[in-house]
Amino acid sequence: GAVVSQHPSWVICKSGTSVKIECRSLDFQATTMFWYRQFPKQSLMLMATSNEGSKATYEQGVEKDKFLINHASLTLSTLTVTSAHPEDSSFYICSAEDTPDYGYTFGSGTRLTVV
Amino acid sequence: AQTVTQSQPEMSVQEAETVTLSCTYDTSESNYYLFWYKQPPSRQMILVIRQEAYKQQNATENRFSVNFQKAAKSFSLKISDSQLGDTAMYFCAFMKPYNQGGKLIFGQGTELSVKP
Repeated sequence: GAVVSQHPSWVICKSGTSVKIECRSLDFQATTMFWYRQFPKQSLMLMATSNEGSKATYEQGVEKDKFLINHASLTLSTLTVTSAHPEDSSFYICSAEDTPDYGYTFGSGTRLTVV
Repeated sequence: AQTVTQSQPEMSVQEAETVTLSCTYDTSESNYYLFWYKQPPSRQMILVIRQEAYKQQNATENRFSVNFQKAAKSFSLKISDSQLGDTAMYFCAFMKPYNQGGKLIFGQGTELSVKP
């Protein structure tokens, strides 16, 4: 089946710095990838849709200047949290699929802690 | 807009017993997909089962089966012969076909504990 790799698994950064999270489709090409944010014991909140070769589509309420998404190739999307603050601490997950109507495959997630 | 509701925040079941998790959704679409995902303590999201709205037959995957009631907009998950490894958060999700957007909309989740 499809494999989606996400790195890093966890990262700690200082307030005010930027952090980049990578999402790769290992055995298929993904025109579209999705980025989610999840707080403990809560559901996944869709942040944005990453489209290869074009601008990402952000969900309402998501700051596009804070959460920069780049989908430069058919196998890689990156999420950069810019000028991170403690309130950005969360679990970030990406998803992609080569046959989306059969269900998306998720990356293993990135736990971001901003201190 | 579509919404997905899981009204059971937590459930528990004894090992080897059967448990049913509830899910309702709201949509005006006629063609869509429904999923159940499992998120164990590792937090890796795992697809459990999938249902196509235009198929009346309920989907089954080994010990997992669904009761899909399209008119009632209900999509429950039954886990038979529960195992300790089934302990996880379970999310119900709705999705329009990929060529119409393909975004997953998740319910709030049900935390299932399987007790020995």
